[in-house]
Amino acid sequence: ETGVTQTPRHLVMGMTNKKSLKCEQHLGHNAMYWYKQSAKKPLELMFVYNFKEQTENNSVPSRFSPECPNSSHLFLHLHTLQPEDSALYLCASSQVAGALGDTQYFGPGTRLTVL
Amino acid sequence: TQLLEQSPQFLSIQEGENLTVYCNSSSVFSSLQWYRQEPGEGPVLLVTVVTGGEVKKLKRLTFQFGDARKDSSLHITAAQPGDTGLYLCAGARAQKLVFGQGTRLTINP
Repeated sequence: ETGVTQTPRHLVMGMTNKKSLKCEQHLGHNAMYWYKQSAKKPLELMFVYNFKEQTENNSVPSRFSPECPNSSHLFLHLHTLQPEDSALYLCASSQVAGALGDTQYFGPGTRLTVL
Repeated sequence: TQLLEQSPQFLSIQEGENLTVYCNSSSVFSSLQWYRQEPGEGPVLLVTVVTGGEVKKLKRLTFQFGDARKDSSLHITAAQPGDTGLYLCAGARAQKLVFGQGTRLTINP
């Protein structure tokens, strides 16, 4: 138990569906992240939020839309996804993004399958 | 271009043997983290190293950060089946963590 929870743990959706992934951290951190982990590829950073402000968008397609209503919650809204978007989506949090020695703690991930 | 190269990508050894995993880059990182990931779970932090030349020990695991803060190694002594998993190194640059592709380690009883 890392203090970062993600729901749902598994999600199957069609290409025309709209769904959302949820992440919550109980560590009192100020930064939250979304990552994508595909088979045979390194973990890819998608978005960074620091003190509720988006500070990084790593050229992510607009069919992925993040939302950070407060420092403890992070959402990833999904619409019109493609089968190649199937992957493990990981949320992480840290004290302050970019601070020296800042350490990220990961949730268990949401396994997404797009049919 | 892969900023962080991990080697080997796969390693299968017998219980009781020693092993070393390497994480190399041409870039300088402000800190480096090692994670272990089990199937279907997120990465779990093992250690963060910040200072060039720093060595940290966690029971049978020894982590070293290179003097120039471009590379790192993870050494496991007397490996056990419970050490099986995917080991990831990640270098910190600004607000980003750059991950290596991982080393999948299997310890056979």
